[in-house]
Order: sequence, then C-alpha cells, then structure tokens
Amino acid sequence: SSELTQDPAVSVALGQTVRITCQGDSLRSYYVSWYQQKPGQAPVLVIYGKNNRPSGIPDRFSGSSSGNTASLTITGAQAEDESDYYCKSRDRSGNHLVFGGGTKLTVL
Amino acid sequence: QVQLQESGPGLVKPSQTLSLTCTVSGGSISSGSYHWSWVRQPAGKGLEWIGRMYSSGSTNYNPSLKSRVTISGDTSKNQFSLKVSSVTAADTAVYYCVRGYYDDIDDWFDPWGQGTLVTVSS
Repeated sequence: SSELTQDPAVSVALGQTVRITCQGDSLRSYYVSWYQQKPGQAPVLVIYGKNNRPSGIPDRFSGSSSGNTASLTITGAQAEDESDYYCKSRDRSGNHLVFGGGTKLTVL
Repeated sequence: QVQLQESGPGLVKPSQTLSLTCTVSGGSISSGSYHWSWVRQPAGKGLEWIGRMYSSGSTNYNPSLKSRVTISGDTSKNQFSLKVSSVTAADTAVYYCVRGYYDDIDDWFDPWGQGTLVTVSS
C-alpha cells in the first residue's frame, strides 16, 4: 500500500465544487503536487508547491494543505475535468518519491 | 520548452533486462535544480516512481525496485536511461520519463514524456 492515501473515486455535478484529498504522514513536512491523467495520455501537472498552477492550467484548480492532508479543489467542475488525479510527494524518510493511488473523478 | 521522448524495445522476454532511453530536447540534463525520473504505470493501475538521476549524476531509487534498477545519463547525447533486470510479467507497464524540480520541501514533475509500453512476454 502507498504511503499516500486517496479515495478511489469521487463524483461531482457539473459546475459544482469538488475536493480530492491525499493523506500521508510525510505531508506534514513536504508539499504535494497534483497530476491529471486522461485515458491514454501522460499525466499533466496541475498544482505544485503551496498552491501554484503551471501555465495553461485553469484557475478553477487550487491546492491546500492542513496537517497530514492535502487537497485539490476544482471550483466549478467542467466536463473536461473528468480524469484520474494523482498526488505525489516524498516518503517519510524524505529520500524517495511516492504517488497516491489515484482518484477517478466523474463529472455528472 | 523542454520535451522528453522515450525509446526502446516494446517487448522483453522474462528474466531479461529492460532498457529504455529518454531523449531530452530544449534543456540540458546536466544543469539546473532538476532531476530526471522514470515512472511506470501498469494497465489500469496507478503511477509508480522508479527512480531518478540528479543533474549531478547521482541517483536515487524506489526501495522496492532498487536491487533491479539502474538509471544513468549520457550528457553528450542529452539522454538518460533506465535498465530493469530480471523482468517478469509484473514489469509490464507504460514507462514515462519526466523532469523533476526539487528544493528542500518540494518536488514536482513537469514535463512528462508521452510514455512507451513495454510488455514482458516470451
């Protein structure tokens, strides 16, 4: 099992707000980054650092963290946001990288 | 703009060594606060970090794969490579090469290569 825990599946109504969470002890010490992956495509970075979006990522994507839990929030979810989302950070030792198990987001 | 492209055999026999190369364009593998990683994804499953090579050439591997994995770089070709020895069907996956940025408390991957499917089968 991964050191980072994500809910396997989350759903949201079109236009509503959804939060995808990632839990792990290492998150008390290290930032998490978030990746969106659509079927048959490579993952794409959507959030990194405290709450930074790469160029081209819509501002409806935001990140936050409290204690051992990091969250990716999509405010006003769109149909094109339906994807798998993965969190990534360091392990407890700080020496290695780990991914969460991924969350499949369905936009209803 | 940095771009990465994986290349290598798509079919490897069990017990043999899987070898992949990532060609980097638009940036040097030997400069900056970057590391160069490999990530894999079995069909229908999640992402797994395999290991990384820093711009200095030092390496760091996933403990679960460390005994079978080697990552190395060729600065003259601006490429880095992955070798996984003694492969089994469990190593069948899409393999991605990625650039990672890091500091004291943060790591993120951007950009990713398009990925290449490696199947382990006789």
